[in-house]
Amino acid sequence: NAGVTQTPKFQVLKTGQSMTLQCAQDMNHEYMSWYRQDPGMGLRLIHYSVGAGITDQGEVPNGYNVSRSTTEDFPLRLLSAAPSQTSVYFCASGMMVNTEAFFGQGTRLTVV
Amino acid sequence: KNQVEQSPQSLIILEGKNCTLQCNYTVSPFSNLRWYKQDTGRGPVSLTIMTFSENTKSNGRYTATLDADTKQSSLHITASQLSDSASYICVVSGGLGGGADGLTFGKGTHLIIQP
Repeated sequence: NAGVTQTPKFQVLKTGQSMTLQCAQDMNHEYMSWYRQDPGMGLRLIHYSVGAGITDQGEVPNGYNVSRSTTEDFPLRLLSAAPSQTSVYFCASGMMVNTEAFFGQGTRLTVV
Repeated sequence: KNQVEQSPQSLIILEGKNCTLQCNYTVSPFSNLRWYKQDTGRGPVSLTIMTFSENTKSNGRYTATLDADTKQSSLHITASQLSDSASYICVVSGGLGGGADGLTFGKGTHLIIQP
């Protein structure tokens, strides 16, 4: 049982490049979300989804896009990377938004 | 504004000692409160989840308490071990009263266990 799988674990991008962070879960969870974690800031919600075909913005959505074409996958796209997007990104999933959430291992992104 | 405040920000204790971490929240309406453990370089892992009607919940050496009237929770760690060194995050689920998805996160308590 893999749980929540994030790839890649580490990534270095140049300013202006685009990339997609992958997130997949094998627990048939309806709810999935993306967070970024910065020192002293705690976890901040970027985007979330309550089911396939449904996405919504979180607290810090600017510069990021998401889609949810299947229940299993919830990729996060950086359109034009900026140094301010240097952070650790976590994907999470749960049966519903108000049930226990399971987190992936994180993607450490550096934008130079 | 919905908030989750954790204290202390950081704590250092000797191996074998007990400690208590605090979480105060203003989220309303309230659905549940969760404690997560996050090891350095890893994703958060759930320790407990408590609803309005639950006052105490244990997970091994971890015991969480909830006072929904005063909107306070605590996480007590008994007989600490070196592996307890981590950040502990309190999260309150409050439906539309919380963050955009109904979850409000605390900034965490960084716990260091010294041998």
